[in-house]
Amino acid sequence: GAVVSQHPSWVICKSGTSVKIECRSLDFQATTMFWYRQFPKQSLMLMATSNEGSKATYEQGVEKDKFLINHASLTLSTLTVTSAHPEDSSFYICSAASGGSYNEQFFGPGTRLTVL
Amino acid sequence: GNSVTQMEGPVTLSEEAFLTINCTYTATGYPSLFWYVQYPGEGLQLLLKATKADDKGSNKGFEATYRKETTSFHLEKGSVQVSDSAVYFCALSDVGTGRRALTFGSGTRLQVQP
Repeated sequence: GAVVSQHPSWVICKSGTSVKIECRSLDFQATTMFWYRQFPKQSLMLMATSNEGSKATYEQGVEKDKFLINHASLTLSTLTVTSAHPEDSSFYICSAASGGSYNEQFFGPGTRLTVL
Repeated sequence: GNSVTQMEGPVTLSEEAFLTINCTYTATGYPSLFWYVQYPGEGLQLLLKATKADDKGSNKGFEATYRKETTSFHLEKGSVQVSDSAVYFCALSDVGTGRRALTFGSGTRLQVQP
């Protein structure tokens, strides 16, 4: 299957700082990328959907000014957690899909964020 | 809205035992159904899928049948191996409503002992 990478795989930051997480599709063009958040022993919760070249669509309850998403190219999307706080500590996972609506999503390995 | 409910884990089995992980769903449209597997330290991988009622998805000895009448998509395997130890997520995608994003169940951890 197609490969999606995330960088960094883990990050520790101080409260109040901003952290950027990258999601890359390595061998295909991703017209749509999704950002999920996973709390310990819980399921993945969709945060936002981004289509290349347009603004992201955020799920209800997700602050768009806090979680900035940029999908500037067909192979790269970034999630920036601004002014991070300890409650933002979580496992962030991206997925990428190409072309038509029924095309499979491919998941990145995730990024563990710890805010001190 | 859409939702997925799957049995809580962990599920602990001996090698070669029969596995069933229950999954039921609610959806407003006609969803596609998926099982994803997450091995330790790795990202989610698609295990199998079914896109319409009565379809059976299968892969690596795992099977699941899309049952519209019971809104279920239970995962089964006849003989599990230690290497099957992982977390399994049931998910749906309601593309018919224009929503590609996946709705996940809470995940079920499977531990297979030698």
